[in-house]
Amino acid sequence: QVQLVQSGAEVKKPGASVKVSCQASGYTFSNYYMHWVRQAPGQGPEWMGMINTGGGRTYYAQKFQDRVTLTRDTSTSTVVMELRSLKSDDSATYYCARSVTMRNGFDFWGQGTMVIVSS
Amino acid sequence: DVQMTQSPSTLSASVGDTVTISCRASQNINRWLAWYQQKPGRAPKLIIYEASTLESGVPSSFSGSGSGTEFTLTINSLQPDDFGTYYCQQYDGFSPYSFGQGTKVEIK
Repeated sequence: QVQLVQSGAEVKKPGASVKVSCQASGYTFSNYYMHWVRQAPGQGPEWMGMINTGGGRTYYAQKFQDRVTLTRDTSTSTVVMELRSLKSDDSATYYCARSVTMRNGFDFWGQGTMVIVSS
Repeated sequence: DVQMTQSPSTLSASVGDTVTISCRASQNINRWLAWYQQKPGRAPKLIIYEASTLESGVPSSFSGSGSGTEFTLTINSLQPDDFGTYYCQQYDGFSPYSFGQGTKVEIK
């Protein structure tokens, strides 16, 4: 069965960086795009970016363009999201989610990783 | 960027009711729209894509309609498991993906 398993919760200080991983199983990893979506408490989801896991090309929301990097390791079917220069309003739950093409809904999601940014 | 606006923000309904949630896009997205259901503490779950196509395993009590800028999610004969927050999302491929602010469906 399809699974996206994310790394555990993180507590970071303002200005630090965080890396969240997402390991896929149960399907052909390189046949799907992987997206990152975050959700602050009580808010709607916010798309951050995506990676073509086959070729490695990335696409980022302009809001995060300068602070986020997505990488993938096809040998372990893992995507890593790094967010730099953390601020308190980056505190949120971060999800990975897959789509079969760029024009598809996100049909499987990871369980979410809570990131808390606090001094 | 495409802005997605949902209404209402909260909806109170009883088991057995039919409920309708609206979603408006700030520009034409053809039928590149998905609907998600989210329960507290869980990831969103895809229920409809391409405006009206039911995701596998989703009950037929859910239906979607619309195109262009106006979209609707309808839930017929509301069941206890249907309560939660629903989000629309556009994915037209020319703009960053974006979600609506959500509609919380509560028990009356």
